[in-house]
Amino acid sequence: GAVVSQHPSRVICKSGTSVKIECRSLDFQATTMFWYRQFPKQSLMLMATSNEGSKATYEQGVEKDKFLINHASLTLSTLTVTSAHPEDSSFYICSARDGATYTDTQYFGPGTRLTVL
Amino acid sequence: AQKITQTQPGMFVQEKEAVTLDCTYDTSDQSYGLFWYKQPSSGEMIFLIYQGSYDEQNATEGRYSLNFQKARKSANLVISASQLGDSAMYFCAMREGPSGNQFYFGTGTSLTVIP
Repeated sequence: GAVVSQHPSRVICKSGTSVKIECRSLDFQATTMFWYRQFPKQSLMLMATSNEGSKATYEQGVEKDKFLINHASLTLSTLTVTSAHPEDSSFYICSARDGATYTDTQYFGPGTRLTVL
Repeated sequence: AQKITQTQPGMFVQEKEAVTLDCTYDTSDQSYGLFWYKQPSSGEMIFLIYQGSYDEQNATEGRYSLNFQKARKSANLVISASQLGDSAMYFCAMREGPSGNQFYFGTGTSLTVIP
C-alpha cells in the first residue's frame, strides 16, 4: 500500500520557537496533501489543504500566518508552526491523496506529537 | 447536519467474535467514496477499506468487510474473527465533491477486544 512518512514523530520546544514538520509520500506522487490536528479522544480536524505548486487552502479559524504550509514537490509538504505557544500542543497528522487511483484514498503519516513548554 | 455519524463511542467484542461498527452518512452527491480507518494508540491512521458509491458489491479486505446500504446511507464496518490487535479507534470517512478534496470524518468508535 501507499506509504506516507512524517518527521519528526515527537517534538518538544520552548514557547516562541518555530517547529517544522515534514510529510512525504514515499511511493506515489501526491498533488494534494492535507494537514490535520487531533485533540485527545477526538476526531481529526482539517487545518488546510496543500496543493503542489500553489498556496494552501486553510479552513476557517486556522491562522495561515501561524501555520505555514509549503508543498514544494509532488512528494513533500511541510507545516511550520511559527512562534509556538502551549495551546499549539497537539497531535498533527498529514495525509496524501493518491489521485492516480480511482478511490482517491488519503493515506496518512504516523503523526507528530508537539509539546510546547 | 453531520456528514458522517458514528453513534457508538465505545464497543467491546470477545476475541474471535465478529463485530459491526456503525456509520451513516449524508450527501446529495451521486459520486462519493466511503472509507474506514483504524487508529491504534500509536496514533497512525491506517486505511482499511474503501467503498465507492457506484460499487454494487460490498467491499471486502481480509477480515474487514463493508456493509453498504445505499438507500439507508449506511456503511457499516464488519470485523470478523476479532483479534486483540484490533483494539483501536475506528473512523468512518467520506469523500465527496469533484475534486476529491472534501473529506469528512466521523467522531470515531473505540473498539476493545476482550481476551
